[in-house]
Amino acid sequence: GDSVTQMEGPVTLSEEAFLTINCTYTATGYPSLFWYVQYPGEGLQLLLKATKADDKGSNKGFEATYRKETTSFHLEKGSVQVSDSAVYFCALSEFTGGGNKLTFGTGTQLKVEL
Amino acid sequence: EAQVTQNPRYLITVTGKKLTVTCSQNMNHEYMSWYRQDPGLGLRQIYYSMNVEVTDKGDVPEGYKVSRKEKRNFPLILESPSPNQTSLYFCASSSMGNGYTFGSGTRLTVV
Repeated sequence: GDSVTQMEGPVTLSEEAFLTINCTYTATGYPSLFWYVQYPGEGLQLLLKATKADDKGSNKGFEATYRKETTSFHLEKGSVQVSDSAVYFCALSEFTGGGNKLTFGTGTQLKVEL
Repeated sequence: EAQVTQNPRYLITVTGKKLTVTCSQNMNHEYMSWYRQDPGLGLRQIYYSMNVEVTDKGDVPEGYKVSRKEKRNFPLILESPSPNQTSLYFCASSSMGNGYTFGSGTRLTVV
């Protein structure tokens, strides 16, 4: 079945550092890929998405490129802020005969310090 | 405002006492789904629904029931809760081809 693997955290960075959170996936078809962010005590918010190979999703300075050849969707940001501290989830979605299932990775906690 | 609303936000209950967590969306989305979030396990799908009266099991459906009598509502029912169902629950909805919009979560404790 489908699966998503992302790097374990926590990842601790200083403000203005470069961020990479690795994500790879296994899927039978042609999934859409997503990054969600969860701030403390809140639900998940869609951060960015890509629906086909070589698409780049971007939002709030974060970027991720859908790489079919390496089955990856790594999240990057050039300069993190303290306010980016949160848990980040990589996910894929495949439409099956039964619906639009979303499969998540286990999440990566990011801590940004001054 | 487009949103998914779940209630309650927090719930403490005793083993075996039936409970329902409500979920409602105002975006006319076809798809709705329930997830539970547990430390180290990420989010796992409990049940999902393609449309009214169409529901199916996700990865961890045991001990849960759902119904989809109206497009906007997708309640999660625990007929006989047990302590291993203590978790953080999220309802979500989407239209085809798009990411899900999530509710704020329900933290359930079963003692």
